[in-house]
Amino acid sequence: KAGVTQTPRYLIKTRGQQVTLSCSPISGHRSVSWYQQTPGQGLQFLFEYFSETQRNKGNFPGRFSGRQFSNSRSEMNVSTLELGDSALYLCASSPVSGQYNEQFFGPGTRLTVL
Amino acid sequence: ILNVEQSPQSLHVQEGDSTNFTCSFPSSNFYALHWYRWETAKSPEALFVMTLNGDEKKKGRISATLNTKEGYSYLYIKGSQPEDSATYLCAFITGSQGNLIFGKGTKLSVKP
Repeated sequence: KAGVTQTPRYLIKTRGQQVTLSCSPISGHRSVSWYQQTPGQGLQFLFEYFSETQRNKGNFPGRFSGRQFSNSRSEMNVSTLELGDSALYLCASSPVSGQYNEQFFGPGTRLTVL
Repeated sequence: ILNVEQSPQSLHVQEGDSTNFTCSFPSSNFYALHWYRWETAKSPEALFVMTLNGDEKKKGRISATLNTKEGYSYLYIKGSQPEDSATYLCAFITGSQGNLIFGKGTKLSVKP
């Protein structure tokens, strides 16, 4: 069974631009969660989607948004990029709603904002 | 603000050594605790999901215990091997509708 895939793997943007990251979950998984990791910090939860609905959101500004499609693929968008948005963005999938279940992580997208 | 603390931050051991790390979390409103292994250039991989006080789980040479009343979990690695080198993350969740709160991890390096 193929794992969680994320595209692109690396991205360089400049301040003020916007970016869209994509996550394809394991086949059959309907929950997708997004996390941000910056140097020295643990994984910070962004949001979780299940069956195309956002069911939970972390403490991030409104510049961070996401959506999920009917095939469970998810996208995350960051508008008006800031230098502090440079991070590794991970997505994780799970068969059912709720992060108490084991999460299956993708390899991440490394975003650099110049 | 809920916080998860992991110690030590990093650990260097010799091949064959046994080692353990600690994850501390708020003892109130506990629902589940996760352990993940994250090797460099790979994806985090789940080791254990623990829900019951006193729970002990084992996978090969790796085992974990859970004390929800005092708010800690231990991860043990018996006879460390170089392939055990990774960052070990724990994450805590307060309820079925909550989100995972991750610690910063313990980075383990095992020298041959």
